[in-house]
Amino acid sequence: TQLLEQSPQFLSIQEGENLTVYCNSSSVFSSLQWYRQEPGEGPVLLVTVVTGGEVKKLKRLTFQFGDARKDSSLHITAAQPGDTGLYLCAVGYSSASKIIFGSGTRLSIRP
Amino acid sequence: KAGVTQTPRYLIKTRGQQVTLSCSPISGHRSVSWYQQTPGQGLQFLFEYFSETQRNKGNFPGRFSGRQFSNSRSEMNVSTLELGDSALYLCASSLAQGRKETQYFGPGTRLLVL
Repeated sequence: TQLLEQSPQFLSIQEGENLTVYCNSSSVFSSLQWYRQEPGEGPVLLVTVVTGGEVKKLKRLTFQFGDARKDSSLHITAAQPGDTGLYLCAVGYSSASKIIFGSGTRLSIRP
Repeated sequence: KAGVTQTPRYLIKTRGQQVTLSCSPISGHRSVSWYQQTPGQGLQFLFEYFSETQRNKGNFPGRFSGRQFSNSRSEMNVSTLELGDSALYLCASSLAQGRKETQYFGPGTRLLVL
């Protein structure tokens, strides 16, 4: 059983549309991260959310941490082909540098 | 500042062989972590090195090992390769150890075992 469940697994939409991807868990976390991974590259950290109910914006991307700190969502407004990639939610593990990643959402934006 | 570099970028091996992958962290970073990424299992933590010592280890067999040198560069070794070891191996570095430290990932080494 995955600690972090992401949905949907795959998403293909038209340029200009809006979309939301989800990251869910039965565990409570002190913080949660979102990464984007493009083909041929490693994951790149987009944002870290810390407080329950927190909303962070990064240009057209809006990240929300659930009130109970068990889930998070990523909303993209007016998607562009450059948004294509694998979106991963992740949590840090105790005092280590170990990161536990979700299963990922593979996003494709059609021009 | 140069990012995390990994060599080689691509590698083809046959079952039973061994392989060594290399990772050079961002200058000044002392923590290096390794991850395996496969379509079926996703991204999974292998191990972390800090100050030349393995600090944490994931749930992988003993065929997977690593080390870190005094300049923080790290190597990962996989012995007696199996078909299931085909994966993208990612290295990440951070200034220090701990979940609050931002980790920067390299582009990975894609290993194909035939």
